Amino acid sequence: DIQMTQSPSSLSASVGDRVTITCRASQGIRNDLGWYQQKPGKAPKRLIYAASSLQSGVPSRFSGSGFGTEFTLTISSLQPEDFATYYCLQHNTYPWTFGQGTKVEIK
Amino acid sequence: QVQLVESGGGVVQPGRSLRLSCAASGFTFSNFGMHWVRQAPGKGLEWVAVIWYDGSKKYSADSVRGRFTISRDNSKNTLYLQMNSLRAEDTAVYYCARQGSGDYDFDYWGQGTLVTVSS
Repeated sequence: DIQMTQSPSSLSASVGDRVTITCRASQGIRNDLGWYQQKPGKAPKRLIYAASSLQSGVPSRFSGSGFGTEFTLTISSLQPEDFATYYCLQHNTYPWTFGQGTKVEIK
Repeated sequence: QVQLVESGGGVVQPGRSLRLSCAASGFTFSNFGMHWVRQAPGKGLEWVAVIWYDGSKKYSADSVRGRFTISRDNSKNTLYLQMNSLRAEDTAVYYCARQGSGDYDFDYWGQGTLVTVSS
C-alpha cells in the first residue's frame, strides 16, 4: 500500500498568516493527489484536485503543488473560516490512502 | 444539484450485520464510480471500497475485505454497503462519495451515517 505522510499533524496560526502543509508519498503517484478540508461534524470538501487544480468555488488563497512523491497545500492568507482539518488523498493505486490530517488552529 | 444521502446507520452488536444505502440524485448515477469512506470518532479518514460505474469492478480495503460488500443498483440510483461480522473497530461515520470524471478523486460527498458497533 502507498503510505501518505502528512505534516505537521497540527499547527497554530493567526489570521493573515501563510500556511503550508506537506504530504509525502511512499512511492511515486504522478499528480494523483487531492486536498480536502473538513470542519467538525461535516463531510470533507475537496479544495484541490490533480495536485494543483483549484476546485470550482474554492477561494484562490488555496493552492497546491507537487508531483511524484512530494506535495504541498498552501493557504496564502489564513481566514477565520479556514480553521479546520486538512487531508491529502492519493488516488493513484488501490487502496486509496489519506494522510493523517493536519488540524489548523487559531493562535 | 448533486446530492448523496446515506441511510441505514445505527447501533448493532458485534458479529451482526447492517446494510448502508446512499441515494444519489442530480446527476447520471450510472456514469460515475462510487466509493465508501469512513471516519472513526476523533480519527482520520479511511477509504473503504469502490465500485465501477457499471458494477464491473470492485476493490476494498484489507480491513473490511471478506466482511463488507459494495454494490449498486443503477435503476434505483442507489449505492450499498453490506457489512457483515461487524467489529467494534468498524464504529465510524460512513460517507459515500462520487468519483469525479476524468480519473480524479472525490468531487461530492454525502453527509454521512453513523454506525456504532457495541454490545
